[in-house]
Amino acid sequence: KAGVTQTPRYLIKTRGQQVTLSCSPISGHRSVSWYQQTPGQGLQFLFEYFSETQRNKGNFPGRFSGRQFSNSRSEMNVSTLELGDSALYLCASSSGQAVSNEQFFGPGTRLTVL
Amino acid sequence: GENVEQHPSTLSVQEGDSAVIKCTYSDSASNYFPWYKQELGKGPQLIIDIRSNVGEKKDQRIAVTLNKTAKHFSLHITETQPEDSAVYFCAAIREDSSYKLIFGSGTRLLVRP
Repeated sequence: KAGVTQTPRYLIKTRGQQVTLSCSPISGHRSVSWYQQTPGQGLQFLFEYFSETQRNKGNFPGRFSGRQFSNSRSEMNVSTLELGDSALYLCASSSGQAVSNEQFFGPGTRLTVL
Repeated sequence: GENVEQHPSTLSVQEGDSAVIKCTYSDSASNYFPWYKQELGKGPQLIIDIRSNVGEKKDQRIAVTLNKTAKHFSLHITETQPEDSAVYFCAAIREDSSYKLIFGSGTRLLVRP
């Protein structure tokens, strides 16, 4: 079974631009969660989608948004990029049927904002 | 909200020795505790997990223990090998279906050959 895939793997943007990241979950999984990883703040939850609906949201500004498609693929968008948005963005795939279902992470997208 | 503290931040052991990483959590409603291993340039990999109705779980050289009363859980790696060198994260998640993993700050494990 194929794992979680994320595209692109690396991105370089400048301040003020916007960016869209993509995540394809494990086949059959309906939940996709997004996390931001930085050296200073560690791993922080952004939001989670299940069956095209956002179920949970972390404490990030409205510049961070996402969506999920009917095939469970998810995209995350960051508008008006700031230097502090430089991070590794990870998505995690889960069946989503229960809180204690395992979450499997993709390799991440490394975003650098100049 | 939930807070997870992880210690130590770095750990260096000789190959063949054991390694122990400890985490404490604040929210008594947390009921699922996974451990992840992250190698350089890769995403976190789930290596073992434990649910609140279990006190200990073992998978070959890796074991996790949970003390619900004290609200702490630990990862034990025996017979360490150089390929165990990585950053390890503990996490916790609440009963209320928030699907939000709260992570510890990570432990960088170095296994010296």
